[in-house]
Amino acid sequence: DQQVKQNSPSLSVQEGRISILNCDYTNSMFDYFLWYKKYPAEGPTFLISISSIKDKNEDGRFTVFLNKSAKHLSLHIVPSQPGDSAVYFCAATPSGTYKYIFGTGTRLKVLA
Amino acid sequence: DVKVTQSSRYLVKRTGEKVFLECVQDMDHENMFWYRQDPGLGLRLIYFSYDVKMKEKGDIPEGYSVSREKKERFSLILESASTNQTSMYLCASSLPGSLGYEQYFGPGTRLTVT
Repeated sequence: DQQVKQNSPSLSVQEGRISILNCDYTNSMFDYFLWYKKYPAEGPTFLISISSIKDKNEDGRFTVFLNKSAKHLSLHIVPSQPGDSAVYFCAATPSGTYKYIFGTGTRLKVLA
Repeated sequence: DVKVTQSSRYLVKRTGEKVFLECVQDMDHENMFWYRQDPGLGLRLIYFSYDVKMKEKGDIPEGYSVSREKKERFSLILESASTNQTSMYLCASSLPGSLGYEQYFGPGTRLTVT
């Protein structure tokens, strides 16, 4: 039972354009949502997070949007750069637990 | 600079061997985690620990055990390695509580069981 889903396994975007990565979830009891980036042969690194009481959080080129009624999360990267090419995972933390539940990842390729 | 280190980047073991994967963090974090990453399946939680000697099963604990004798060190043990345990293993740590604190990951150990 996949509680956090990333339905697009891959995405290609031209350099300078917007990248939009999507994530859907089924559990309305998630407190926080996080995005991680992973390069090959490295561990994931944290990008940005959002509390369930907010609908937007911005950090430089990265913005995360949360639509609770649709149980949908998205990460916008503007402008996209070749160095952004990586696998992106969304994750969620259920209320009252220490656990993080990850999606299956989306591979982003930014074309120069 | 915060750091999570894992004892090996690559390991090749034979079926039936006992395998130890070590993880050390230098951030004084209470929470530590072991995940495995497989293509198309994302990161799946094997075990986590919220304090020394404390552990809880994650989503896929079968065939694994863990040990946390010191705060900075969290070990994953494969009691009798099998080929379906060939995977990338990732260790992570985070601050305590359920406030969505970011996790810090190690570089991973790619384990092949033949």
